[in-house]
Amino acid sequence: QKEVEQDPGPLSVPEGAIVSLNCTYSNSAFQYFMWYRQYSRKGPELLMYTYSSGNKEDGRFTAQVDKSSKYISLFIRDSQPSDSATYLCAMSADTGFQKLVFGTGTRLLVSP
Amino acid sequence: DTGVSQNPRHKITKRGQNVTFRCDPISEHNRLYWYRQTLGQGPEFLTYFQNEAQLEKSRLLSDRFSAERPKGSFSTLEIQRTEQGDSAMYLCASSLVGHPGTEAFFGQGTRLTVV
Repeated sequence: QKEVEQDPGPLSVPEGAIVSLNCTYSNSAFQYFMWYRQYSRKGPELLMYTYSSGNKEDGRFTAQVDKSSKYISLFIRDSQPSDSATYLCAMSADTGFQKLVFGTGTRLLVSP
Repeated sequence: DTGVSQNPRHKITKRGQNVTFRCDPISEHNRLYWYRQTLGQGPEFLTYFQNEAQLEKSRLLSDRFSAERPKGSFSTLEIQRTEQGDSAMYLCASSLVGHPGTEAFFGQGTRLTVV
């Protein structure tokens, strides 16, 4: 069993839809939770960063962490075609960004 | 461009050859990480440096792989006697330890194809 599980998709939605992306994990030592966006043939770029449990909002993006359930989510409101990319969840037990453990990534397709 | 720079962007090599990749981190960043990403998978941690010291290596990093960061600036990742299973995207990232919330910035990666 992988430490971090993520549905690979693809997830296809129409423009304007609310998108929900999720990851589950097994290592209770994880304290730092991130969501990265990766366009084809590019490096990952950080979208959201959360420490421990709770919610964090940034524009159209909301990240939620439920440590009791070992479950994290990323919500994208008013999705745009430019949001089409692979979304990777990542976690770390150490301070900050040391030794990230990534999910497999979910491919999102937003159609106009 | 002040981001993380990786060279070359693409490398095609024959099985058994040695290859070396270079990563130039963001100038003030003291941590540098190497990850490997295969098709349809998320990046997997390989190793990281703080300044010039290599602090941790994954079990994925076989004895054919070696990474260096002389003088705590750029880093190189060398793969000796390449195998077809080494075909992947090799990603470098850097961060500034000691500054809470400072993210790790990834480079564009070096795509290796072993034929």
